Amino acid sequence: GAVVSQHPSRVICKSGTSVKIECRSLDFQATTMFWYRQFPKQSLMLMATSNEGSKATYEQGVEKDKFLINHASLTLSTLTVTSAHPEDSSFYICSAANSGTGGYTFGSGTRLTVV
Amino acid sequence: GQQVMQIPQYQHVQEGEDFTTYCNSSTTLSNIQWYKQRPGGHPVFLIQLVKSGEVKKQKRLTFQFGEAKKNSSLHITATQTTDVGTYFCAQGAQKLVFGQGTRLTINP
Repeated sequence: GAVVSQHPSRVICKSGTSVKIECRSLDFQATTMFWYRQFPKQSLMLMATSNEGSKATYEQGVEKDKFLINHASLTLSTLTVTSAHPEDSSFYICSAANSGTGGYTFGSGTRLTVV
Repeated sequence: GQQVMQIPQYQHVQEGEDFTTYCNSSTTLSNIQWYKQRPGGHPVFLIQLVKSGEVKKQKRLTFQFGEAKKNSSLHITATQTTDVGTYFCAQGAQKLVFGQGTRLTINP
């Protein structure tokens, strides 16, 4: 079945630095990927839709200059958290549609801690 | 996207008891999906419902989509400790929007 690989699984960074998170579709091509953020004990909030070969579409309230998304190939999307601050600490998860099941396949997530 | 309201927020049961979570929308949904997220894990797709009044079963799990396609439920019969986690409904055609989730804990 469709597998989405995400890494790193955990990252601790200093305030002011940037962190890149990668999401790869391993056995299928994903022209579109989705990036979510999840705070403890809360639901998943859609941040942006990553489109292969074109600009990402950001949800209202998400700063595009802070959360840079690149989808340069059909199997790779990256999210870069720029100038990270402690309030950016969260669980970031990517997903892609699974044409076989009709559902979405999620990466294993990246737990970002900014100190 | 359309917002779906999910209740209850939390549910604690004794092992062997049944469990139900509900999702409601003020507008008609094209489809609804259900996901399970184990503690510390990522959401895993369970099922998609598309048809009005649809009922699907996966072992002890029963999923329903309302006749008006505005509500859905997930029912677990005779819960087991492996059922622990947060269950989310989600909907959307172009992008997936999640309900608030129901966190299920089980007393063995």
